[in-house]
Parts: sequence; C-alpha cells; structure tokens
Amino acid sequence: DAMVIQNPRYQVTQFGKPVTLSCSQTLNHNVMYWYQQKSSQAPKLLFHYYDKDFNNEADTPDNFQSRRPNTSFCFLDIRSPGLGDAAMYLCATSREPGQGEQKLFFGSGTQLSVL
Amino acid sequence: AQSVTQLGSHVSVSEGALVLLRCNYSSSVPPYLFWYVQYPNQGLQLLLKYTTGATLVKGINGFEAEFKKSETSFHLTKPSAHMSDAAEYFCAVSYSSNDYKLSFGAGTTVTVRA
Repeated sequence: DAMVIQNPRYQVTQFGKPVTLSCSQTLNHNVMYWYQQKSSQAPKLLFHYYDKDFNNEADTPDNFQSRRPNTSFCFLDIRSPGLGDAAMYLCATSREPGQGEQKLFFGSGTQLSVL
Repeated sequence: AQSVTQLGSHVSVSEGALVLLRCNYSSSVPPYLFWYVQYPNQGLQLLLKYTTGATLVKGINGFEAEFKKSETSFHLTKPSAHMSDAAEYFCAVSYSSNDYKLSFGAGTTVTVRA
C-alpha cells in the first residue's frame, strides 16, 4: 500500500546532540510537510517543500533544518536539541494544490525525547 | 490570522451514546474545514472535510459535521459511539484551496465507556 513512513518510531537524543528524523513516501506527492506536536497541543507546521522549493514558517527556529534529496525522502535535522524540542514530529504529504483532493497523508510520527 | 478552538480537551461517552466534538474557527474569509482522527501510535487520518457546497458533510466511520457560517462552527457528531472511536480528534482549517497548509486545533481526546 502507498504510504508515508517515518523512522524511527521513537528517538532519544542528548541535549545539544544533533539528530535527524526521516520520512519517506510511496505516494509520489509533490509536497511534503513537517509538523511538530508537543504533548496536549495542536500540530504546528515547521516547514514544507513544494518539490525542491523549501518554505519555512516564520516562527520556526533556526535550530530546525530540512533536506529533501528526492521526491520520496525528506529529513528533519535538529542541530542542537533542547529540552523544549521533545515532541512528536509528524511528516505529511499532499498533491500539489489544484492537482487532486485537498488532503494531507500523515506518517505515524517520530516521538523525540531529549535527555 | 486564522485560529481554531476545540472546546473540551477530553470527552467521555458511553458506548452507544452520541459523540459531539465542538470546533469554532476565526476567519475573515470562508475557510476550508477538516476533522482528523489520530488513533494511538498512528498518524492523523482524514475523517471529513468541508470545502464548498452542502454544509452537512458525511465522513468515514459514521461521523458527520455541519458547517455553520453564522456560528463560525464545524462541530463533529456521531449518533452512536463505538469502542473503536476512542482516539484524539483534531479540527483544522486552511486558507484556501490553493494552500494545503493546515492550522490545527489543540485536539479532543475521546474515551468510550463500556
């Protein structure tokens, strides 16, 4: 089945130690998103890619970076994780607006813990 | 800027009882509205959406929602709760059909009592 896959399901890192979360998709969607979801809060959009065009949300900290080497893969890099970055990170995909149903397809998320 | 408010972070219902989850939005333009469900250890899944047309929208698993512009609301209902409906539910809005970025509410956790 076509899907959005996030690995790992759980990630533990140390304060200040760089960490990378990965997302892959078999849907061949043009657009990929990273959301941060802290406990008991709404998912918050960090950035998204239109193909290779990177779009950062205005309030996303510089500590968060992303890479999309090809259509299928997208990575979230946290350069120096702080305790406040502990959260569930959700990857999502969609078709390009106007090219199909307005719908996001989500992965299962990666739960990041910072020690 | 648009925002979404979900009234009640936690709702508990008996099996077979009505499920009602409330969502209000603030927007200066007609919004596109969505309900997503998140089961334990899974990603978000689209339940239903309103873009244009009929204001009563039917979704999967017996859920439906009604867009009421005068009340700026998009409440989610299901006539008879099932144990499998226990999950977290998120209301979301987007700015337009040309923008798939969503702004989510804080979520409502539903528990179903036997």
